[in-house]
Amino acid sequence: GESVGLHLPTLSVQEGDNSIINCAYSNSASDYFIWYKQESGKGPQFIIDIRSNMDKRQGQRVTVLLNKTVKHLSLQIAATQPGDSAVYFCAESPANQAGTALIFGKGTTLSVSS
Amino acid sequence: EAGVAQSPRYKIIEKRQSVAFWCNPISGHATLYWYQQILGQGPKLLIQFQNNGVVDDSQLPKDRFSAERLKGVDSTLKIQPAKLEDSAVYLCASSFGGRNTIYFGEGSWLTVV
Repeated sequence: GESVGLHLPTLSVQEGDNSIINCAYSNSASDYFIWYKQESGKGPQFIIDIRSNMDKRQGQRVTVLLNKTVKHLSLQIAATQPGDSAVYFCAESPANQAGTALIFGKGTTLSVSS
Repeated sequence: EAGVAQSPRYKIIEKRQSVAFWCNPISGHATLYWYQQILGQGPKLLIQFQNNGVVDDSQLPKDRFSAERLKGVDSTLKIQPAKLEDSAVYLCASSFGGRNTIYFGEGSWLTVV
């Protein structure tokens, strides 16, 4: 079936750098997208979401960009800190499914060195 | 505000045994989800409840997995009999419903030996 995928399984950055994590989705019926952060041994933690009527949304140190033309989603983290080290998942919610559950990709592991 | 509560946090069982996981969602959240997360993968939906009704259980292996949310609040996920490939983290999540933010619990880690 269709699912969300991520371009890179791992990303290594230096503390203070900006990080960009990319995600490609394939379900054109998806109209709601979310980024989650998952630290080792913990459940996914909500970071930011965006709906399909928007191209960009900003939070604290994070920005999500949505390009519906090429079905691409990205998460930008400004001034990356060691505490940002985790696995990042993008997830989509197709409008044409039975419920409102999320479909997750495989995740990108972000490693931040100081 | 209390988050999604799950128990037990860790469980080791032998194959063919049974196991049950419990979840208490965030207060007021009508929608409850159970996800399975195999090591190195993203979470995969098992079942979604809206209050005490099932919305989507299309990916639940019904020959061995069952779930209930009888009073529309807490929920139990059961596996019987367990197989080796059921080793995973079982995540419970909840939301107010619709396209509102979905919050996850810390998960119940299952190892089947």
